[in-house]
Amino acid sequence: DSGVTQTPKHLITATGQRVTLRCSPRSGDLSVYWYQQSLDQGLQFLIHYYNGEERAKGNILERFSAQQFPDLHSELNLSSLELGDSALYFCASSLSPFSGNEQFFGPGTRLTVL
Amino acid sequence: AQSVTQLGSHVSVSEGALVLLRCNYSSSVPPYLFWYVQYPNQGLQLLLKYTSAATLVKGINGFEAEFKKSETSFHLTKPSAHMSDAAEYFCAVSSGGGADGLTFGKGTHLIIQP
Repeated sequence: DSGVTQTPKHLITATGQRVTLRCSPRSGDLSVYWYQQSLDQGLQFLIHYYNGEERAKGNILERFSAQQFPDLHSELNLSSLELGDSALYFCASSLSPFSGNEQFFGPGTRLTVL
Repeated sequence: AQSVTQLGSHVSVSEGALVLLRCNYSSSVPPYLFWYVQYPNQGLQLLLKYTSAATLVKGINGFEAEFKKSETSFHLTKPSAHMSDAAEYFCAVSSGGGADGLTFGKGTHLIIQP
């Protein structure tokens, strides 16, 4: 158990819909990273929040957005969903944005868009 | 820009044999390097990391990796494979401050033959 929790574990929805994925970091960690894992793209970094502020964006679509709340939990919002958005979405947390810090991964949310 | 190449999407070894999973990286600045393991339907777990303290890094479950700057490699090894080692292994690089998240290779599926 990494100490990172993600809900829901599974999500099935239809094209055009909007969903919200939730992540609670390990106690004490201020950085939250979101990643997408798909068969064709592999593991891709989406976005990073540190202590409530956006720090970096990766390959995140404009239809996707995220935020980190004062209690440090984070939400990833996916809108106007397409079939190709079906993937595993992981969040990871670390103490700070330092490159050498280990990132602890949650169990993931499996999104299926029908 | 940084990138990771993992040679061999699938590697098959016999139980008790040497495990060698290859990883080459590209980074414009000194990198931090990680190996993560993913078991079916689970998140990623850190096996080991290189943060410039020592070129030979020992990790969990008997794995180790050697950082070779001249070869830009960070190959993962284990002297004797166990059935429980069957999983997906990812090499990742982080550099330039850590805000940008990890850049992952495409992964290597390790198969252990009895």
